[in-house]
Amino acid sequence: DAGITQSPRHKVTETGTPVTLRCHQTENHRYMYWYRQDPGHGLRLIHYSYGVKDTDKGEVSDGYSVSRSKTEDFLLTLESATSSQTSVYFCAISDNNYGYTFGSGTRLTVV
Amino acid sequence: SQQGEEDPQALSIQEGENATMNCSYKTSINNLQWYRQNSGRGLVHLILIRSNEREKHSGRLRVTLDTSKKSSSLLITASRAADTASYFCATDNAGNMLTFGGGTRLMVKP
Repeated sequence: DAGITQSPRHKVTETGTPVTLRCHQTENHRYMYWYRQDPGHGLRLIHYSYGVKDTDKGEVSDGYSVSRSKTEDFLLTLESATSSQTSVYFCAISDNNYGYTFGSGTRLTVV
Repeated sequence: SQQGEEDPQALSIQEGENATMNCSYKTSINNLQWYRQNSGRGLVHLILIRSNEREKHSGRLRVTLDTSKKSSSLLITASRAADTASYFCATDNAGNMLTFGGGTRLMVKP
C-alpha cells in the first residue's frame, strides 16, 4: 500500500529464535500500530506508538516488544518465537483523522 | 476481546443485488469505521462515521450508526464481483486505537 511497507513479506523461523518485523512509512504519520490476524479472532492489537520512543501495549502484547527510534520506522520483535505466534502481522499508520492505512502484511510461520 | 461483532459471518449474493452487513459493539465510541480486505491483502479503509452522525454515503456504500443500539450497518448497493472480500467494522473508543470485529465474508457471484 502506498506510503507504508512491511518487510519481510514472508518468513519461516524456528521455535525459540528471535524475529524482527519492520514497518516503514513515508507519510510522517504520528501513530503506528502492529496487529496480528488469526482465523476466528479477527485483528488484535499487539503494540502501538504515538511518537518517537513513545509506545504502549495492546491486547495481545505478551511475547512481543516494539521500538520506534524514527518517525518512519516501527519494529516488532518476537524475543523467542513460539508456534502460537504463527500468524499474519499487519502494520498500520494513522494521522488520527481519517482512519488507518494498512501495510500488505507479513506471514510468519514458526516451526 | 472483540469490541465489534459482524453479522452475518458470511454472505453470498448475486451480482447486482444489495449486500447488508451489521456490526454491534459494546461500549461508547468516538467513531466507527468499516474496512475491506481482499484475500491475502491488507485492510483498506472504506468509511468513517462519527458518534454524532447517523448516516454516511460514499459511492455505492451507505453506513448507518445507531448509538442507542450500539450498532452499525454497511450497505453495498448494486454489488459487483469485485466487491467479493471480507468486511470489518472497527471502533475507536478514544485513545487512538481501533478494535476490530471478526468480519463478514462477502461473495458476489457473477
